[in-house]
Amino acid sequence: GAGVSQTPSNKVTEKGKYVELRCDPISGHTALYWYRQSLGQGPEFLIYFQGTGAADDSGLPNDRFFAVRPEGSVSTLKIQRTERGDSAVYLCASSPLAGGTLPYNEQFFGPGTRLTVL
Amino acid sequence: GDSVTQMEGPVTLSEEAFLTINCTYTATGYPSLFWYVQYPGEGLQLLLKATKADDKGSNKGFEATYRKETTSFHLEKGSVQVSDSAVYFCALSENNFNKFYFGSGTKLNVKP
Repeated sequence: GAGVSQTPSNKVTEKGKYVELRCDPISGHTALYWYRQSLGQGPEFLIYFQGTGAADDSGLPNDRFFAVRPEGSVSTLKIQRTERGDSAVYLCASSPLAGGTLPYNEQFFGPGTRLTVL
Repeated sequence: GDSVTQMEGPVTLSEEAFLTINCTYTATGYPSLFWYVQYPGEGLQLLLKATKADDKGSNKGFEATYRKETTSFHLEKGSVQVSDSAVYFCALSENNFNKFYFGSGTKLNVKP
């Protein structure tokens, strides 16, 4: 079946612009996660959704970052007034449920969106 | 807070060589431990996992044992192949599995 997909695969923008990154999770997965991976680093947690609501947004670096999942499926990560330091690969993952024990909580990752802020 | 430290790469080996990638962790509770692999141009994939002390995770010839006494989860493979060339990430998750803490990744290059 289809895995997690993310669009666009690459996004180049100018400092100060607004960007939206999209994630399509695996069909039926309740939980959705966003991570940011800077060059040479491991993924860093940003936010996760349980259904439509953001259950934990403690990883969002500041109020320029916002994410939504209005229908409990597709999610959009929104970044306002982009800065050069926002350049990274943004990863999305989904899992059947959040909380509990494996295998129900294995996270399936998308290929990521590479954001470059000039 | 929780964190994961893994050996820096890149690691370059010849085919059929023995592989060890070291991983140590710091956690406030009793986490589950994971190894993820990222092949070129692909997303992260779960390679193996262990949910409690002394558990051994294994998959595709790779193994890692959850060592609580040394807070380690080293990845090993007896004979690597060219197709194992990838970046390997050690990760932990506390019992709620709501988020993962990843190490910085170790790039493995296997030469034929």
